[in-house]
Amino acid sequence: DVKVTQSSRYLVKRTGEKVFLECVQDMDHENMFWYRQDPGLGLRLIYFSYDVKMKEKGDIPEGYSVSREKKERFSLILESASTNQTSMYLCASSDRNAYQPQHFGDGTRLSIL
Amino acid sequence: AQTVTQSQPEMSVQEAETVTLSCTYDTSESDYYLFWYKQPPSRQMILVIRQEAYKQQNATENRFSVNFQKAAKSFSLKISDSQLGDAAMYFCAYRSGQKLVFGQGTRLTINP
Repeated sequence: DVKVTQSSRYLVKRTGEKVFLECVQDMDHENMFWYRQDPGLGLRLIYFSYDVKMKEKGDIPEGYSVSREKKERFSLILESASTNQTSMYLCASSDRNAYQPQHFGDGTRLSIL
Repeated sequence: AQTVTQSQPEMSVQEAETVTLSCTYDTSESDYYLFWYKQPPSRQMILVIRQEAYKQQNATENRFSVNFQKAAKSFSLKISDSQLGDAAMYFCAYRSGQKLVFGQGTRLTINP
């Protein structure tokens, strides 16, 4: 079974802090994704990566950056956390076959105080 | 840009009954993939069922089936013999290239 592991289930940070969310997958998937989930808005794509060191902006990249130095690991960075970034963050991975689903981690509930 | 709309924020059904969750999407592409995901209270998103647009036959996975109407751009999910474990948020998703576009979600409650 595919395993996507997010480093924290809950995280509390302060405004202005630099925040790192880590995600690791064990299935050698080329694609990795970071989503933000808010009630009534569904999942919105922040960034995705289709290869090591490659990244592409999603629908809401402002205030975020990403890093993919190794194929299995994809990090989301909040450069200077703000209260409007309080949300649930989901990481996912998939291979390039369009029929194959994305596999998700358990999510990180991030609170910015 | 593709969009996905789930018009039912919440649905409820009696245990053992059948419920249908609606999903519509907008696209100019002719070949694409559609998915239904389930997110139980434990939070992990789980694939329920998927459909290839070029296949006319509706996908079925045990108690879960879809009604795919390509011309109407509709992709509804039918859950038969509802069980308490089906309670969850359900998301419809459209695959655009390597990305998924999600609907807003429908929260399904199962009444015992």
